[in-house]
Amino acid sequence: ETGVTQTPRHLVMGMTNKKSLKCEQHLGHNAMYWYKQSAKKPLELMFVYSLEERVENNSVPSRFSPECPNSSHLFLHLHTLQPEDSALYLCASSQGGGADSYEQYFGPGTRLTVT
Amino acid sequence: AQSVTQLDSQVPVFEEAPVELRCNYSSSVSVYLFWYVQYPNQGLQLLLKYLSGSTLVKGINGFEAEFNKSQTSFHLRKPSVHISDTAEYFCAVKRGSQGNLIFGKGTKLSVKP
Repeated sequence: ETGVTQTPRHLVMGMTNKKSLKCEQHLGHNAMYWYKQSAKKPLELMFVYSLEERVENNSVPSRFSPECPNSSHLFLHLHTLQPEDSALYLCASSQGGGADSYEQYFGPGTRLTVT
Repeated sequence: AQSVTQLDSQVPVFEEAPVELRCNYSSSVSVYLFWYVQYPNQGLQLLLKYLSGSTLVKGINGFEAEFNKSQTSFHLRKPSVHISDTAEYFCAVKRGSQGNLIFGKGTKLSVKP
């Protein structure tokens, strides 16, 4: 595997379910991100992890819970979601610090549908 | 607060025609500017970036962009588009080395034969 991978690619879940999205980066980066992409809205940054510590949480509801066990893996745990949470969830990584921190590499995303 | 405005939500164009996708940003400090492309059912891929130096930046797939500080613009151009350029294009701004990327709403480029 190369680059940034995300699983599953598609997920349909009910409002009472609990599921997790997984992201893995194979680039040796030390920063990882979760974004939400909804139709007709700009990409919304949800969480940022740098050196496995959460450095940003952009007022995301608590029904979204991130986890970064190491610099290569990032999870987004989901529970009691709402239909308006249906979106494409994108993971990205970058090498933090210095000029290289400017470029983020994105995974293909998980298309989430909440029924 | 920083913002990024992509003036056109959709741009239809015929194959081999030139195209310009517009991007304006608001910031009173130095910023770094990016264009990303998203093909159907894929994540975002970096097309090009402006960090410093020459205001004309060349990227992948024949795209280029020009940073205009006085007009706070970073328009993306390609002299001759292909069907394969059909995708959504996102302009993004980053304030300083520690700032996060702020994205525009995207422009859907549709190239017709």
